Amino acid sequence: DAKTTQPNSMESNEEEPVHLPCNHSTISGTDYIHWYRQLPSQGPEYVIHGLTSNVNNRMASLAIAEDRKSSTLILHRATLRDAAVYYCIQGTDTGNQFYFGTGTSLTVIP
Amino acid sequence: SQTIHQWPATLVQPVGSPLSLECTVEGTSNPNLYWYRQAAGRGLQLLFYSVGIGQISSEVPQNLSASRPQDRQFILSSKKLLLSDSGFYLCACDRGRNQPQHFGDGTRLSIL
Repeated sequence: DAKTTQPNSMESNEEEPVHLPCNHSTISGTDYIHWYRQLPSQGPEYVIHGLTSNVNNRMASLAIAEDRKSSTLILHRATLRDAAVYYCIQGTDTGNQFYFGTGTSLTVIP
Repeated sequence: SQTIHQWPATLVQPVGSPLSLECTVEGTSNPNLYWYRQAAGRGLQLLFYSVGIGQISSEVPQNLSASRPQDRQFILSSKKLLLSDSGFYLCACDRGRNQPQHFGDGTRLSIL
């Protein structure tokens, strides 16, 4: 299994930026980094993914280290609806057989 | 966009009973399909995936089986449920490697 390392939990104040770190030291050259989030009692939701360059979409930004052994998901202004478990997933060269670890549980404080 | 339908939302079954969970996909053709299970407080565990009709790959040995009788239909089954089969079962689909994976709303299965 391609595993990543994330902190178990993080807290953020509402309307402040949040930086969620992830280590993926075993990543190979063609493996993408994927981020999903899961609200209680729901299925995971796609957030963002990237290979080498930093990526932006309407939900978040993904900053990937130059050596690709780590990345950071950036939520620019946390809202209460962003409280969820965030999963960082290392892709494989055979497809999207994802290994979901325990992720980072983000608490947003009003 | 892709939509995944899973039913039922919750299910309570006795030990030793059979199981059939169905997942159907709309909005795409020839998707990759996946079954995951999530135990309470844990991450998702990939159980099965399929790249086409009749093609099933199993990720972990278990009491469950999967079938894909049609392009956009994925079924999870068991002949005799065990207590350890309890969990939150999620169906997912994508259009290929490194494409976003879309998840259904899941089925919460309790075994008594």
